[in-house]
Amino acid sequence: EVQLVESGGGLVQPGGSLRLSCAASGFTFSSYEMNWVRQAPGKGLEWVSYISSSGSTIYYADSVKGRFTISRDNAKNSLYLQMNSLRAEDTAVYYCAREVGATGADAFDIWGQGTMVTVSS
Amino acid sequence: SYVLTQPPSVSVAPGQTARITCGGNNIGSKSVHWYQQKPGQAPVLVVYDDSDRPSGIPERFSGSNSGNTATLTISRVEAGDEADYYCQVWDSSSDHPGVVFGGGTKLTVL
Repeated sequence: EVQLVESGGGLVQPGGSLRLSCAASGFTFSSYEMNWVRQAPGKGLEWVSYISSSGSTIYYADSVKGRFTISRDNAKNSLYLQMNSLRAEDTAVYYCAREVGATGADAFDIWGQGTMVTVSS
Repeated sequence: SYVLTQPPSVSVAPGQTARITCGGNNIGSKSVHWYQQKPGQAPVLVVYDDSDRPSGIPERFSGSNSGNTATLTISRVEAGDEADYYCQVWDSSSDHPGVVFGGGTKLTVL
């Protein structure tokens, strides 16, 4: 079964750090581009970051640039999001999502169940 | 940055047709993808590349894209279609590409 499972969420104080993980199974992880998407409570979807299949190309949303770092370990079938200098507005459910296609403007066909990050003192 | 505009809500009776729009500047030149999200669940891709359906998605879901508006059409609406729907595109117009989501539309089945 094709599956993505996030972990690492929790409660953190403003200014703190957290590292999210996304474990992939059921497909050749190294062949797919991956993304992180978040959703604040009661709000819509917000894209966070993209990483190419090899890890050589990375993009960030302006709201997290300079504070978050996306990475992947294809040998471990895992995607990561290192989050530093966390703010209250980073509070959200964080999803990892697989990108399908080869056009460079592709859809997210597989999503994890999400992991909740709460930034609060 | 690129902006996608969706109506906050759409209501439709069972068996009728729901149309959810997604407006953006010259969106017809982009590939639009649509997601369905039910409460407490992760989003599910229902239409990609404007009008294609992933396997397992009913034929009742269809999409179109032209000019400044993309549309998700749900025919013969069922109670189980009640959910939030989001459109999505890639914006490569600036020097740092990124993904843009619409604000979402809550579909209510009366």
